[in-house]
Amino acid sequence: DVKVTQSSRYLVKRTGEKVFLECVQDMDHENMFWYRQDPGLGLRLIYFSYDVKMKEKGDIPEGYSVSREKKERFSLILESASTNQTSMYLCASRRIGSRYEQYFGPGTRLTVT
Amino acid sequence: GQSLEQPSEVTAVEGAIVQINCTYQTSGFYGLSWYQQHDGGAPTFLSYNGLDGLEETGRFSSFLSRSDSYGYLLLQELQMKDSASYFCAVRSLYSGGGADGLTFGKGTHLIIQP
Repeated sequence: DVKVTQSSRYLVKRTGEKVFLECVQDMDHENMFWYRQDPGLGLRLIYFSYDVKMKEKGDIPEGYSVSREKKERFSLILESASTNQTSMYLCASRRIGSRYEQYFGPGTRLTVT
Repeated sequence: GQSLEQPSEVTAVEGAIVQINCTYQTSGFYGLSWYQQHDGGAPTFLSYNGLDGLEETGRFSSFLSRSDSYGYLLLQELQMKDSASYFCAVRSLYSGGGADGLTFGKGTHLIIQP
Protein backbone atom coordinates (compact mmCIF):
# COMPACT_ATOMS: atom_id res chain seq x y z
CA ASP A 1 0.00 0.00 0.00
CA VAL A 2 1.14 3.50 -0.79
CA LYS A 3 1.68 5.48 2.33
CA VAL A 4 1.78 9.24 2.51
CA THR A 5 2.47 10.67 5.94
CA GLN A 6 2.36 14.23 7.19
CA SER A 7 4.40 15.46 10.11
CA SER A 8 1.54 16.79 12.23
CA ARG A 9 -2.17 16.15 12.43
CA TYR A 10 -2.88 19.41 14.20
CA LEU A 11 -0.76 22.54 14.41
CA VAL A 12 -1.33 25.92 16.06
CA LYS A 13 0.90 28.84 15.11
CA ARG A 14 0.93 32.57 15.68
CA THR A 15 0.61 35.23 13.01
CA GLY A 16 3.99 36.04 11.49
CA GLU A 17 5.62 32.73 12.38
CA LYS A 18 7.44 30.67 9.77
CA VAL A 19 5.68 27.33 9.42
CA PHE A 20 6.96 24.10 7.90
CA LEU A 21 4.61 21.31 6.90
CA GLU A 22 6.34 18.07 6.01
CA CYS A 23 5.16 15.25 3.79
CA VAL A 24 6.82 11.90 3.15
CA GLN A 25 5.80 9.14 0.73
CA ASP A 26 7.22 5.63 0.64
CA MET A 27 6.39 4.49 -2.89
CA ASP A 28 9.15 6.21 -4.85
CA HIS A 29 6.62 8.47 -6.60
CA GLU A 30 8.08 11.19 -8.78
CA ASN A 31 5.25 13.71 -8.39
CA MET A 32 4.07 15.33 -5.17
CA PHE A 33 1.39 17.93 -4.47
CA TRP A 34 0.20 20.29 -1.75
CA TYR A 35 -3.48 21.25 -1.50
CA ARG A 36 -5.48 23.22 0.98
CA GLN A 37 -9.06 22.27 1.76
CA ASP A 38 -11.60 24.74 3.09
CA PRO A 39 -15.33 24.19 3.72
CA GLY A 40 -17.35 24.89 0.60
CA LEU A 41 -14.24 25.40 -1.53
CA GLY A 42 -13.03 21.86 -2.07
CA LEU A 43 -9.36 21.11 -2.64
CA ARG A 44 -7.19 23.80 -4.20
CA LEU A 45 -3.70 23.15 -5.55
CA ILE A 46 -0.98 25.28 -3.97
CA TYR A 47 2.27 23.86 -5.39
CA PHE A 48 3.51 20.66 -6.87
CA SER A 49 6.79 19.03 -7.76
CA TYR A 50 7.64 16.77 -10.65
CA ASP A 51 10.99 15.67 -9.32
CA VAL A 52 13.70 16.52 -6.82
CA LYS A 53 14.46 20.25 -6.72
CA MET A 54 11.68 20.96 -9.23
CA LYS A 55 8.55 22.91 -8.33
CA GLU A 56 5.53 24.32 -10.11
CA LYS A 57 2.96 26.86 -8.94
CA GLY A 58 -0.59 25.66 -8.67
CA ASP A 59 -3.71 27.79 -8.46
CA ILE A 60 -3.08 29.56 -5.14
CA PRO A 61 0.70 29.80 -4.50
CA GLU A 62 0.71 33.27 -2.93
CA GLY A 63 2.08 33.24 0.60
CA TYR A 64 3.60 29.78 0.24
CA SER A 65 6.84 28.21 -0.93
CA VAL A 66 7.99 24.61 -1.19
CA SER A 67 11.12 22.54 -0.98
CA ARG A 68 11.95 19.13 -2.38
CA GLU A 69 15.50 18.10 -1.59
CA LYS A 70 14.80 14.35 -1.57
CA LYS A 71 12.44 12.35 -3.71
CA GLU A 72 10.34 11.08 -0.82
CA ARG A 73 9.93 14.39 1.00
CA PHE A 74 8.02 17.53 0.01
CA SER A 75 7.76 20.48 2.36
CA LEU A 76 5.30 23.36 2.33
CA ILE A 77 6.54 26.59 3.89
CA LEU A 78 4.50 29.51 5.11
CA GLU A 79 7.07 32.30 5.29
CA SER A 80 4.95 34.50 7.55
CA ALA A 81 1.75 32.80 8.62
CA SER A 82 -1.48 34.77 8.46
CA THR A 83 -4.93 34.02 9.82
CA ASN A 84 -6.30 33.45 6.31
CA GLN A 85 -3.94 30.50 6.02
CA THR A 86 -5.87 28.64 8.69
CA SER A 87 -6.94 25.52 6.81
CA MET A 88 -6.56 21.78 6.30
CA TYR A 89 -3.44 21.04 4.28
CA LEU A 90 -3.27 17.83 2.27
CA CYS A 91 -0.23 16.33 0.64
CA ALA A 92 -0.49 13.86 -2.23
CA SER A 93 1.83 11.84 -4.41
CA ARG A 94 1.51 10.26 -7.84
CA ARG A 95 3.68 7.96 -9.89
CA ILE A 96 4.78 9.37 -13.20
CA GLY A 97 2.39 8.49 -16.01
CA SER A 98 -0.62 8.12 -13.74
CA ARG A 99 -2.55 11.26 -14.60
CA TYR A 100 -5.49 10.88 -12.27
CA GLU A 101 -4.70 8.64 -9.33
CA GLN A 102 -3.16 10.60 -6.50
CA TYR A 103 -2.51 9.19 -3.03
CA PHE A 104 -3.27 11.56 -0.20
CA GLY A 105 -1.91 11.91 3.30
CA PRO A 106 -4.19 12.33 6.34
CA GLY A 107 -3.85 16.11 6.37
CA THR A 108 -2.58 18.75 8.77
CA ARG A 109 -5.13 21.06 10.31
CA LEU A 110 -3.31 24.35 10.77
CA THR A 111 -4.71 27.12 12.92
CA VAL A 112 -3.05 30.53 12.80
CA THR A 113 -3.97 32.81 15.69
CA GLY B 1 -9.65 28.44 -16.36
CA GLN B 2 -11.33 25.32 -15.09
CA SER B 3 -14.56 25.13 -13.14
CA LEU B 4 -16.62 22.21 -11.90
CA GLU B 5 -20.12 22.25 -10.48
CA GLN B 6 -21.59 19.56 -8.27
CA PRO B 7 -24.40 19.61 -5.70
CA SER B 8 -23.27 20.47 -2.19
CA GLU B 9 -25.35 17.78 -0.52
CA VAL B 10 -27.35 14.71 -1.48
CA THR B 11 -29.44 12.51 0.81
CA ALA B 12 -30.36 8.89 0.08
CA VAL B 13 -31.65 5.81 1.85
CA GLU B 14 -29.63 2.72 2.72
CA GLY B 15 -29.96 0.08 0.01
CA ALA B 16 -31.04 2.59 -2.64
CA ILE B 17 -29.21 4.06 -5.65
CA VAL B 18 -27.89 7.61 -5.81
CA GLN B 19 -26.38 9.69 -8.58
CA ILE B 20 -23.97 12.58 -8.01
CA ASN B 21 -23.66 14.91 -10.99
CA CYS B 22 -20.73 17.00 -12.12
CA THR B 23 -20.65 19.56 -14.90
CA TYR B 24 -17.41 21.17 -15.97
CA GLN B 25 -16.02 24.03 -18.03
CA THR B 26 -12.44 23.52 -19.09
CA SER B 27 -9.91 24.91 -21.52
CA GLY B 28 -9.00 21.53 -22.93
CA PHE B 29 -10.38 18.31 -21.50
CA TYR B 30 -8.42 15.22 -20.56
CA GLY B 31 -10.90 13.16 -18.58
CA LEU B 32 -12.91 13.20 -15.36
CA SER B 33 -12.04 11.46 -12.12
CA TRP B 34 -13.82 10.91 -8.82
CA TYR B 35 -12.53 10.85 -5.26
CA GLN B 36 -14.16 9.86 -1.98
CA GLN B 37 -13.37 11.45 1.37
CA HIS B 38 -14.77 10.33 4.71
CA ASP B 39 -15.00 12.89 7.51
CA GLY B 40 -11.54 13.38 8.96
CA GLY B 41 -9.99 11.13 6.33
CA ALA B 42 -7.85 11.46 3.25
CA PRO B 43 -9.37 11.61 -0.24
CA THR B 44 -9.11 8.30 -2.08
CA PHE B 45 -9.31 7.71 -5.82
CA LEU B 46 -12.47 6.00 -7.05
CA SER B 47 -12.60 6.13 -10.84
CA TYR B 48 -11.56 7.81 -14.07
CA ASN B 49 -13.39 8.35 -17.37
CA GLY B 50 -11.37 9.38 -20.39
CA LEU B 51 -13.95 8.47 -22.99
CA ASP B 52 -17.74 8.71 -23.16
CA GLY B 53 -19.70 5.99 -21.48
CA LEU B 54 -19.99 4.08 -18.27
CA GLU B 55 -17.16 2.62 -16.20
CA GLU B 56 -18.16 0.13 -13.52
CA THR B 57 -16.24 -0.85 -10.43
CA GLY B 58 -18.31 -2.99 -8.10
CA ARG B 59 -21.16 -0.98 -6.59
CA PHE B 60 -19.77 2.26 -8.05
CA SER B 61 -20.07 3.39 -11.66
CA SER B 62 -19.00 6.60 -13.34
CA PHE B 63 -20.34 8.08 -16.54
CA LEU B 64 -19.02 10.71 -18.91
CA SER B 65 -20.56 12.67 -21.79
CA ARG B 66 -17.91 14.93 -23.32
CA SER B 67 -20.40 16.60 -25.68
CA ASP B 68 -22.46 17.70 -22.65
CA SER B 69 -19.45 18.46 -20.43
CA TYR B 70 -21.13 16.28 -17.85
CA GLY B 71 -20.43 13.27 -15.76
CA TYR B 72 -21.88 11.46 -12.80
CA LEU B 73 -20.99 8.97 -10.12
CA LEU B 74 -23.57 6.26 -9.47
CA LEU B 75 -23.59 4.39 -6.17
CA GLN B 76 -25.76 1.29 -5.90
CA GLU B 77 -26.90 -0.76 -2.89
CA LEU B 78 -26.01 2.11 -0.63
CA GLN B 79 -24.40 1.27 2.69
CA MET B 80 -23.96 3.49 5.73
CA LYS B 81 -20.21 3.46 5.13
CA ASP B 82 -20.81 5.30 1.81
CA SER B 83 -21.61 8.44 3.81
CA ALA B 84 -18.78 10.70 2.71
CA SER B 85 -17.92 13.60 0.45
CA TYR B 86 -17.40 12.92 -3.23
CA PHE B 87 -15.29 15.13 -5.49
CA CYS B 88 -15.07 15.23 -9.25
CA ALA B 89 -11.78 16.42 -10.74
CA VAL B 90 -10.31 17.33 -14.11
CA ARG B 91 -6.73 17.50 -15.26
CA SER B 92 -5.31 21.03 -15.44
CA LEU B 93 -2.17 22.09 -17.28
CA TYR B 94 0.44 24.48 -15.91
CA SER B 95 3.67 26.00 -17.19
CA GLY B 96 2.43 26.23 -20.76
CA GLY B 97 1.34 22.62 -20.73
CA GLY B 98 4.58 21.21 -19.41
CA ALA B 99 3.12 20.19 -16.08
CA ASP B 100 -0.26 18.97 -14.91
CA GLY B 101 -2.28 18.64 -11.76
CA LEU B 102 -5.92 18.18 -10.77
CA THR B 103 -8.65 20.77 -10.31
CA PHE B 104 -11.34 19.54 -7.94
CA GLY B 105 -15.00 20.41 -7.62
CA LYS B 106 -16.21 21.69 -4.26
CA GLY B 107 -17.52 18.29 -3.27
CA THR B 108 -20.88 16.65 -2.62
CA HIS B 109 -21.67 15.55 0.91
CA LEU B 110 -23.63 12.30 0.68
CA ILE B 111 -25.87 11.54 3.65
CA ILE B 112 -27.22 7.99 3.97
CA GLN B 113 -30.31 7.48 6.06
CA PRO B 114 -31.27 4.08 7.49
